Amino acid sequence: EDKVVQSPLSLVVHEGDTVTLNCSYEVTNFRSLLWYKQEKKAPTFLFMLTSSGIEKKSGRLSSILDKKELFSILNITATQTGDSAVYLCAVYLIGNQFYFGTGTSLTVIP
Amino acid sequence: DGGITQSPKYLFRKEGQNVTLSCEQNLNHDAMYWYRQDPGQGLRLIYYSQIVNDFQKGDIAEGYSVSREKKESFPLTVTSAQKNPTAFYLCASSSGYSGAYEQYFGPGTRLTVT
Repeated sequence: EDKVVQSPLSLVVHEGDTVTLNCSYEVTNFRSLLWYKQEKKAPTFLFMLTSSGIEKKSGRLSSILDKKELFSILNITATQTGDSAVYLCAVYLIGNQFYFGTGTSLTVIP
Repeated sequence: DGGITQSPKYLFRKEGQNVTLSCEQNLNHDAMYWYRQDPGQGLRLIYYSQIVNDFQKGDIAEGYSVSREKKESFPLTVTSAQKNPTAFYLCASSSGYSGAYEQYFGPGTRLTVT
């Protein structure tokens, strides 16, 4: 059975802290891994990772994939209250199917 | 503006009634998806469709039905057989072509059944 596990389930940090969110997966027919941010509505796309070891970066957010160990991390540096959201990890499988993890709820306190 | 629309935003129904949730996209995407999200949980796949007139069951298809008669439209019917239908429903689409895996999401429909 395909499985995507995110950790931690929830996290509370202070503004300025750096956080690392984890996503591990056990799936067949892996094509890519995606990260989304969800703030009480539709998820918005952050990153798509296909190759191991290549960091994707956007401002204070960065992500990397390890296809040998089957995991990805999402780093957020210098966190701000606007980063408070649920962060979802999804794997994209051959056959155009996406499989989501349960998400990590991040709360950033001023 | 290209995007995905879902209507209505909030929907209330009485137990035992079927209800249809609308999803329309003008992105010219081939693939469309329906997910259900419960509080504190991730997205669970209900149905997906890769092309017109074809669709596949996801992990939690029981009690739901879909149709894909047009490329732009992928309505979801929540039937009375769905034991716990109250949830947030998200529709998504993707181009389906290699190298373009990103999914675009609609704003969601929050269904409450009493």
